[in-house]
Amino acid sequence: GAGVSQSPRYKVAKRGQDVALRCDPISGHVSLFWYQQALGQGPEFLTYFQNEAQLDKSGLPSDRFFAERPEGSVSTLKIQRTQQEDSAVYLCASRWGLGSGNTIYFGEGSWLTVV
Amino acid sequence: GDSVTQMEGPVTLSEEAFLTINCTYTATGYPSLFWYVQYPGEGLQLLLKATKADDKGSNKGFEATYRKETTSFHLEKGSVQVSDSAVYFCALSASNTGNQFYFGTGTSLTVIP
Repeated sequence: GAGVSQSPRYKVAKRGQDVALRCDPISGHVSLFWYQQALGQGPEFLTYFQNEAQLDKSGLPSDRFFAERPEGSVSTLKIQRTQQEDSAVYLCASRWGLGSGNTIYFGEGSWLTVV
Repeated sequence: GDSVTQMEGPVTLSEEAFLTINCTYTATGYPSLFWYVQYPGEGLQLLLKATKADDKGSNKGFEATYRKETTSFHLEKGSVQVSDSAVYFCALSASNTGNQFYFGTGTSLTVIP
């Protein structure tokens, strides 16, 4: 597609449930990012992929968070045993190149509410 | 570490007023600087960017100049419209890796007719 696509757009999970959030980046984009955005805050970095390699996962808040991009295209962010503090919008973004000056393009986000 | 600080909102302006949203940064090396906009119900969109000192980014009547001496990238528009109502985020991309974008907390702008 023309843009970054994320699914589901909205997810309500019971505390303790596992969730999986999917990201389809722009075709041909090498770099893929996941961000977490709490209400009224700016996006916070979670993890970064270059093709299929996860080069930076320093932003993942706990070992309950796991991300993968096995074929260098679609990525999945998995959250195990969800907690209320995981409620946020999860943003996926992709970038064509590797340089810091290249634009990153965001999806519309997956809104996760943990009840 | 690298970071971005932007002025807190919310900001409310009348149509055709002048807009300034301040953004300052802390970074090692020579980062690239961005302004992203988030319209109600939509995802983040790039508004403009500058990749080196003294560069001016511009788009849709908005401008921002990369000032290394003051470590700033303030967003300006001479005459705002109701359709500019949105949340604006200043962001920095570190020069060493390009792996991380650091975002400010966002400034909510409401333009009233």
